[in-house]
Amino acid sequence: GNSVTQMEGPVTLSEEAFLTINCTYTATGYPSLFWYVQYPGEGLQLLLKATKADDKGSNKGFEATYRKETTSFHLEKGSVQVSDSAVYFCAPHRSYSSASKIIFGSGTRLSIRP
Amino acid sequence: GAGVSQSPSNKVTEKGKDVELRCDPISGHTALYWYRQSLGQGLEFLIYFQGNSAPDKSGLPSDRFSAERTGGSVSTLTIQRTQQEDSAVYLCASSPAHTEAFFGQGTRLTVV
Repeated sequence: GNSVTQMEGPVTLSEEAFLTINCTYTATGYPSLFWYVQYPGEGLQLLLKATKADDKGSNKGFEATYRKETTSFHLEKGSVQVSDSAVYFCAPHRSYSSASKIIFGSGTRLSIRP
Repeated sequence: GAGVSQSPSNKVTEKGKDVELRCDPISGHTALYWYRQSLGQGLEFLIYFQGNSAPDKSGLPSDRFSAERTGGSVSTLTIQRTQQEDSAVYLCASSPAHTEAFFGQGTRLTVV
């Protein structure tokens, strides 16, 4: 089965700082990789994804690259904003037909200071 | 509807009562998931459905918890004889063929 290890939070940064949130996983085969974000008071939503090795997912200035060699999918942003304050979850998931649950990382709470 | 709908959005119940939480997934999504999120915590997997069957119920915390899905659509999570430790936000998500999951807004359950 899949498992995921995600950087512990909380993470507090100043606006315009560089962000990295580490995520490593173990999985059978080659899963698709996802980052989800939960803004205060809201439900989870997909932030970005990558479906095969060396793919880069990107959205809202965030990026993550599927690294098969290191089984990692680290989330990065070059210049964070106050509006990026949220909880971020990494999730590997097999995307072929055999049914499986989605395993989420423990979540990393990010707070950005103005 | 356009997204995953959960009802009620908030539920306050007395200890020992039964509660039913409902999830309406996005039309056509074959996979449906239930998770629980306690305050400030991560996502705890409860159960998921492929169509109407539940291949993995391993996350249900006790036999007080049960879930069903009918017509490959609506799902109900039932908690019998609620306890204070059941207080949490219950999240439902659906997915087409196991790609990304689309989450509802959750049901906040408070057991008093």
